[in-house]
Amino acid sequence: SQQGEEDPQALSIQEGENATMNCSYKTSINNLQWYRQNSGRGLVHLILIRSNEREKHSGRLRVTLDTSKKSSSLLITASRAADTASYFCATDSYNTDKLIFGTGTRLQVFP
Amino acid sequence: EADIYQTPRYLVIGTGKKITLECSQTMGHDKMYWYQQDPGMELHLIHYSYGVNSTEKGDLSSESTVSRIRTEHFPLTLESARPSHTSQYLCASSEFLPSGTGVAQETQYFGPGTRLLVL
Repeated sequence: SQQGEEDPQALSIQEGENATMNCSYKTSINNLQWYRQNSGRGLVHLILIRSNEREKHSGRLRVTLDTSKKSSSLLITASRAADTASYFCATDSYNTDKLIFGTGTRLQVFP
Repeated sequence: EADIYQTPRYLVIGTGKKITLECSQTMGHDKMYWYQQDPGMELHLIHYSYGVNSTEKGDLSSESTVSRIRTEHFPLTLESARPSHTSQYLCASSEFLPSGTGVAQETQYFGPGTRLLVL
């Protein structure tokens, strides 16, 4: 399977702490994206990083990409209870016409 | 919020019934997708479409069928529902943007999903 893997599978933290989740993938990519999914809802696009970029910021989100290790990390700083959701990475590459989604990390932020 | 809609949001039906899950988007996107997702689990691509009159099977084998007669509409049909079809079904459409690297960036926009329970 080309599917990416994320770890941890689940993460529980207190409000105000930082949350870091990781994504590993198997093939060379063009872009890597992170999506968020609230319980029982569809996914929402958060941020995209290109294969020639190493780090990108958007508000409290920081994404890094290490193409040599085929991995990415998503850091959410100063987490809030409203950040509670599942987070998925997704990759696209030259040899596929679909996004490949990771297995997801379930984040629980306690007030 | 993305302009992509799914109906019904929740559906409870008996085994053997025929059902159609509706998906519509008003963004003019050509590419659309159907995913199946069990609660808290990964997404499985079951169908996608490049545009009108195009339908392709995804990575996960599914007994459902799809059609794409209009750009904005991508319904999914189960001819005879079974308890094993109980799941959440997510519809998505894609926007492609130039990235400056010669390869377009694809961003998917998801509907809110349909939760299906087959008794």
